[in-house]
Amino acid sequence: KNEVEQSPQNLTAQEGEFITINCSYSVGISALHWLQQHPGGGIVSLFMLSSGKKKHGRLIATINIQEKHSSLHITASHPRDSAVYICAVSSVKTSYDKVIFGPGTSLSVIP
Amino acid sequence: GAGVSQSPRYKVAKRGQDVALRCDPISGHVSLFWYQQALGQGPEFLTYFQNEAQLDKSGLPSDRFFAERPEGSVSTLKIQRTQQEDSAVYLCASRPIQPGTQETQYFGPGTRLLVL
Repeated sequence: KNEVEQSPQNLTAQEGEFITINCSYSVGISALHWLQQHPGGGIVSLFMLSSGKKKHGRLIATINIQEKHSSLHITASHPRDSAVYICAVSSVKTSYDKVIFGPGTSLSVIP
Repeated sequence: GAGVSQSPRYKVAKRGQDVALRCDPISGHVSLFWYQQALGQGPEFLTYFQNEAQLDKSGLPSDRFFAERPEGSVSTLKIQRTQQEDSAVYLCASRPIQPGTQETQYFGPGTRLLVL
């Protein structure tokens, strides 16, 4: 079983739809990250959170430490949101916050 | 300021050829990570440097992989006698401060390696 799992693996949405991507993990963490990766591009950090909820523009990230679960929401989705969204956790197993990545969710927003 | 940069962005190598991938982290960043990302998968940890010290190389898949950061800034990932299974995107990331504190990693654009 992977230490970080995401669902769905692939997601297609119509422009304007509300989108939710889920992440669950099985290890002790100091923080959880949501990352965005465009085709051919590098990775951009969207959020780092260890509790509660964070909001940036149309993006909202929540985490439930007890349930070891996080969600990334995109409101009023737009084609430019099309990318791979990766959930990653900073593990407490190492002294340097080793990051373990999920497999990613490929999002395609259709005009 | 400049972000993390990597070069080359794309590399095509013949099987058996040696390659060297370069990472320029953000100036002053203490921690540097290398990751390997196969097509359609999330990145996987290769190795970690704190300044010039390589503190964890447990993710390097074989002894053909070697990484160094001799002056605690620029890092090079070297792959000897490349194999087709080495084809992947190699990502570098850096963090600004000491480990054990909460701080995000800053990723470079990656080097896409294709071994023919």
